Amino acid sequence: GEDVEQSLFLSVREGDSSVINCTYTDSSSTYLYWYKQEPGAGLQLLTYIFSNMDMKQDQRLTVLLNKKDKHLSLRIADTQTGDSAIYFCAESGANNLFFGTGTRLTVIP
Amino acid sequence: NAGVTQTPKFRVLKTGQSMTLLCAQDMNHEYMYWYRQDPGMGLRLIHYSVGEGTTAKGEVPDGYNVSRLKKQNFLLGLESAAPSQTSVYFCASSAGPYEAFFGQGTRLTVV
Repeated sequence: GEDVEQSLFLSVREGDSSVINCTYTDSSSTYLYWYKQEPGAGLQLLTYIFSNMDMKQDQRLTVLLNKKDKHLSLRIADTQTGDSAIYFCAESGANNLFFGTGTRLTVIP
Repeated sequence: NAGVTQTPKFRVLKTGQSMTLLCAQDMNHEYMYWYRQDPGMGLRLIHYSVGEGTTAKGEVPDGYNVSRLKKQNFLLGLESAAPSQTSVYFCASSAGPYEAFFGQGTRLTVV
């Protein structure tokens, strides 16, 4: 089945940029997503990218997609303490979404 | 808008007991999902439904059953709870096999 991999932890200082990486296996995925989970809450969609795009920018968020390497990244500019959360990448399958393990981002003041 | 609502939010069960988790969505979505979230393992799909009256197995279906009698509701049942089912359970819905909207989760502890 589909396999979506992420590193488990990332720490950055407030004001720096954060880059969260993800690799996936299903080259036929139409959409790839980034979700954010704050403590004690459900997942909230942050952004997504269509598979025929290389890059998408949305305010402080930049998504880069390398289809050849099946690599997806999320860059958060000017990271704030409120960005501390778990970030999940996900790829669309035939009938559902496949999630990575999540990357816990800790922002150090 | 309520979005996706899960009940209950917390529950403690004894081994062998049964329970049903309820998920309700008010977005007229066709697709609904049940996931479990465990530390270091991300979200794993238990069962899903692509429309009223349909259900299908996900990655980790053993020990769970589901029903989708009404389009807006997706029930997850545990017939005989085991400690390995201690987890946080999330329900989600979507218009198709893409952007999913999540509930707030149900934290289940089986002792």
